[in-house]
Amino acid sequence: SQQGEEDPQALSIQEGENATMNCSYKTSINNLQWYRQNSGRGLVHLILIRSNEREKHSGRLRVTLDTSKKSSSLLITASRAADTASYFCATDLTGANSKLTFGKGITLSVRP
Amino acid sequence: DVKVTQSSRYLVKRTGEKVFLECVQDMDHENMFWYRQDPGLGLRLIYFSYDVKMKEKGDIPEGYSVSREKKERFSLILESASTNQTSMYLCASSATDQPQHFGDGTRLSIL
Repeated sequence: SQQGEEDPQALSIQEGENATMNCSYKTSINNLQWYRQNSGRGLVHLILIRSNEREKHSGRLRVTLDTSKKSSSLLITASRAADTASYFCATDLTGANSKLTFGKGITLSVRP
Repeated sequence: DVKVTQSSRYLVKRTGEKVFLECVQDMDHENMFWYRQDPGLGLRLIYFSYDVKMKEKGDIPEGYSVSREKKERFSLILESASTNQTSMYLCASSATDQPQHFGDGTRLSIL
């Protein structure tokens, strides 16, 4: 079964709006990561948050982690058409060899 | 910047053929990974390697094998290709406890 599951499966917003994506997982983790994938391309790492961290920022991205609820959220502020992509959360259980378990992804469409 | 290079973007092979997918990284990473990505199923780990000549099965290793003779190169082998192995294959590498860096993928079609 999937360790990480994203919600919603698809999201469509207007340019300039904020996009919030959620991820839930089942077991204790070492860290949680968010990746982005443009159509037909490989995944690009966005942000890593460790189990002892609660919030992290990178540019227009804000990630939160609630280990008591086993959930994370990714917020993209002031979205742009270029943010249109699939977004994946991935959990690293041990940190020992960076093995990740990915969710099925969220398709984000940002309308110009 | 880390560069992970997969040998082919698109590949068409026939059922029963032995297929090699090659992946090379230029950052001296210990860990390398092979995934397949299918619509509605997300990324599933086939095999990974945490050192030269070391390999471990992922979630769906059946029908695949791997080879890591040099640190920078990780090969995925389809021993006898079948139509259900038509998929997008993604290679990634990472240092320990660091994010993974992905190649652009190989879209493999088995006819």
